[in-house]
Amino acid sequence: GQQVMQIPQYQHVQEGEDFTTYCNSSTTLSNIQWYKQRPGGHPVFLIQLVKSGEVKKQKRLTFQFGEAKKNSSLHITATQTTDVGTYFCAGRVAGTASKLTFGTGTRLQVTL
Amino acid sequence: EPEVTQTPSHQVTQMGQEVILRCVPISNHLYFYWYRQILGQKVEFLVSFYNNEISEKSEIFDDQFSVERPDGSNFTLKIRSTKLEDSAMYFCATSGQGTNTEAFFGQGTRLTVV
Repeated sequence: GQQVMQIPQYQHVQEGEDFTTYCNSSTTLSNIQWYKQRPGGHPVFLIQLVKSGEVKKQKRLTFQFGEAKKNSSLHITATQTTDVGTYFCAGRVAGTASKLTFGTGTRLQVTL
Repeated sequence: EPEVTQTPSHQVTQMGQEVILRCVPISNHLYFYWYRQILGQKVEFLVSFYNNEISEKSEIFDDQFSVERPDGSNFTLKIRSTKLEDSAMYFCATSGQGTNTEAFFGQGTRLTVV
């Protein structure tokens, strides 16, 4: 079945450092979404990417969708302690209209 | 801001018992989903529901599981005979205009099977 892997599994950075998580799907995706889950919380939608090679920015966050629509990345510039949480990518495969397959997640820890 | 509401927040049940998890979707949303997350692991898709029927389901969603929208508002997940490995956080999610839009997640129900 479809698998969506993320690396790294865990990253610990000092506040102000940059952070990147990479998402790789075993199958081509029709679109990809990113979610953030704070410790003890629920997934919260961040963004959706649809087009091949698409890049979107939200303040310090930059999201990319690969040309082959099988990978994606999230880059955070100058992390803050409020960025702490687990970041999940979630993809939809063409033909499976409603099912979102979540990635394995990257847990980000930020310390002062 | 509209939100998805789930009850109860925590349920402890004995193995073999039936449980019903409840979700109140955002009012104008048409697509409903259940996901589960075993502690410390990724979020796993269980089932999607549209127009009063299941659209898709995963291999996890076996005959022990069922979903329904009994009164046009609540969306429920029933586990007929719980097993220890059913212990997890269960999230309800809903989306509005179609499956190509963001999913809004509820706060989750933590199910503990003892």
